Amino acid sequence: AQTVTQSQPEMSVQEAETVTLSCTYDTSENNYYLFWYKQPPSRQMILVIRQEAYKQQNATENRFSVNFQKAAKSFSLKISDSQLGDTAMYFCALEDQNFVFGPGTRLSVLP
Amino acid sequence: KAGVTQTPRYLIKTRGQQVTLSCSPISGHRSVSWYQQTPGQGLQFLFEYFSETQRNKGNFPGRFSGRQFSNSRSEMNVSTLELGDSALYLCASSRGQPSTDTQYFGPGTRLTVL
Repeated sequence: AQTVTQSQPEMSVQEAETVTLSCTYDTSENNYYLFWYKQPPSRQMILVIRQEAYKQQNATENRFSVNFQKAAKSFSLKISDSQLGDTAMYFCALEDQNFVFGPGTRLSVLP
Repeated sequence: KAGVTQTPRYLIKTRGQQVTLSCSPISGHRSVSWYQQTPGQGLQFLFEYFSETQRNKGNFPGRFSGRQFSNSRSEMNVSTLELGDSALYLCASSRGQPSTDTQYFGPGTRLTVL
């Protein structure tokens, strides 16, 4: 069965600093997709970054980058130069046949 | 371009009733997915529709059903409501496959079952 684990329920970071959110997953599929979604307080969920499992190169989107370790089934998100607007719940998700989301990490960016 | 819209935004029902939620995707998007979000279970995938056909289904009882119309609008129905069905129901649309095409989420419908 697919599972996604996020071991950090809450994290905080100072503005302009770098923070890394952890995610591990399990799947029996060889081809799958991994995602990080962001859900700001009282706002809609948005896609932060996507990684295709068959691609070795780690995905990056501006200040957001991932460290994808396929053998270890690890998919962490690094946020550089954290901004107040990054305060949100962050969900790691796996899609092989269906979408499975992790429990989320609540990130607070402190001024 | 208008985003994903969901109606109603808030709903209060009692146990045993049924409810229908509506989702209008972004223009040109043919895939609509539904998710249930609760504090206890987190975000769980319900089902995905593409061109009026259910393409994927999550592990939910048959009380949860959906459909998609020719204009890609989708409805989700829950029959014989239970207290545990209280949740935020999110709809997301994408142009094609949610795995390869970005999913855009709506604001959700908050359902409270009393």
